[in-house]
Amino acid sequence: AQSVTQLGSHVSVSEGALVLLRCNYSSSVPPYLFWYVQYPNQGLQLLLKYTTGATLVKGINGFEAEFKKSETSFHLTKPSAHMSDAAEYFCAVSDRYNNNDMRFGAGTRLTVKP
Amino acid sequence: EAQVTQNPRYLITVTGKKLTVTCSQNMNHEYMSWYRQDPGLGLRQIYYSMNVEVTDKGDVPEGYKVSRKEKRNFPLILESPSPNQTSLYFCASRGLYSLHFGNGTRLTVT
Repeated sequence: AQSVTQLGSHVSVSEGALVLLRCNYSSSVPPYLFWYVQYPNQGLQLLLKYTTGATLVKGINGFEAEFKKSETSFHLTKPSAHMSDAAEYFCAVSDRYNNNDMRFGAGTRLTVKP
Repeated sequence: EAQVTQNPRYLITVTGKKLTVTCSQNMNHEYMSWYRQDPGLGLRQIYYSMNVEVTDKGDVPEGYKVSRKEKRNFPLILESPSPNQTSLYFCASRGLYSLHFGNGTRLTVT
């Protein structure tokens, strides 16, 4: 079965600084990988996904993530944080042969300081 | 607008009083699922449905029931709620790869 570990339950950055949210996964088969964002009182929205092909994927709001098979990682980055990026971020993995089983990390709450 | 709609958004109830949380999607998705979100645990799957009349247990199904009589609807039923079911619940439907989530139902069981 797949699993996801997000390193750091809380991350705080200054406005304009680099955002780096870490995600490591475990999967016995080639994975599909996702980042979702949750704003207060809302459901989760898809930021970006990796399925096949290019390992550097770009998402909405200037976020991107790189699939590194050798490191089993899928870290999320954004060059310059904006106040509106403050939210909770979830990394998720699913099995490309059994897409019914999507596993989520525990989440990372991002705070952006002015 | 493509969306997943859950109702109610907030629900306070007492132990043992049956309740239903409704979920509807307008994207003609075959796959739907229910999750609960608890601090420090992320999202855990309760039940999922591959299609009409096809449902299966997720990781934490105890105390919950679901039904899928129509493609668009996937209600979550708590026949005898208990305080440990106090949580934030999300319904989702799946397109080709990713999930589309409702806005959540915050349930408190006293």
